[in-house]
Amino acid sequence: QVTLKESGPVLVKPTETLTLTCTVSGFSLSNARMGVSWIRQPPGKALEWLAHIFSNDEKSYSTSLKSRLTISKDTSKSQVVLTMTNMDPVDTATYYCARIITTLPFGYFDYWGQGTLVTVSS
Amino acid sequence: EIVLTQSPGTLSLSPGERATLSCRASQSVSSSYLAWYQQKPGQAPRLLIYGASSRATGIPDRFSGSGSGTDFTLTISRLEPEDFAVYYCQQYGSRVTFGPGTKVDIK
Repeated sequence: QVTLKESGPVLVKPTETLTLTCTVSGFSLSNARMGVSWIRQPPGKALEWLAHIFSNDEKSYSTSLKSRLTISKDTSKSQVVLTMTNMDPVDTATYYCARIITTLPFGYFDYWGQGTLVTVSS
Repeated sequence: EIVLTQSPGTLSLSPGERATLSCRASQSVSSSYLAWYQQKPGQAPRLLIYGASSRATGIPDRFSGSGSGTDFTLTISRLEPEDFAVYYCQQYGSRVTFGPGTKVDIK
């Protein structure tokens, strides 16, 4: 079955760089029409899309966070990595990776990881 | 960027009642590229509806989606105890944005 699992630090200091890894199983990152997105959710707040990467290595980023984000994938390891620079306490959130289904530049999310809570504090 | 507004913010209903949730977009959502998700406390969101009206795999038929352009609706025909949760809409016709959510709680 399809699963996604996020991993990374639970605590980062302000100004540091966050690196999160999403390990997928049950599908290949080389499958056409599929990709992986990162989405975050501050405590008690709504969801915010961050970035995605598709099988052809096409990438897209949130307009407001583009300068701070980098997404990449290692198909052989079934992993997608997101880095976010210059972390701030307002970036405290649960970070989810999710599989995206599309024939478009964008799409919807049919499988989600359990999420990982990242706290930004000194 | 397309801004999604959901109403009401909270919907208080009893099991067995009908729930009608609204999602309004600041501009037309192309080709009805609108999805709905359910999220329970401590859990990841679950896809319910995509393409405005197509139910995702395994979703009960008491959930239905409708609408086009800027106005979309999620209807739960008869609320079951497990349906009390927060519901988000998401558009994917022009980048990706989510609405602020509607909480359906027990009256």
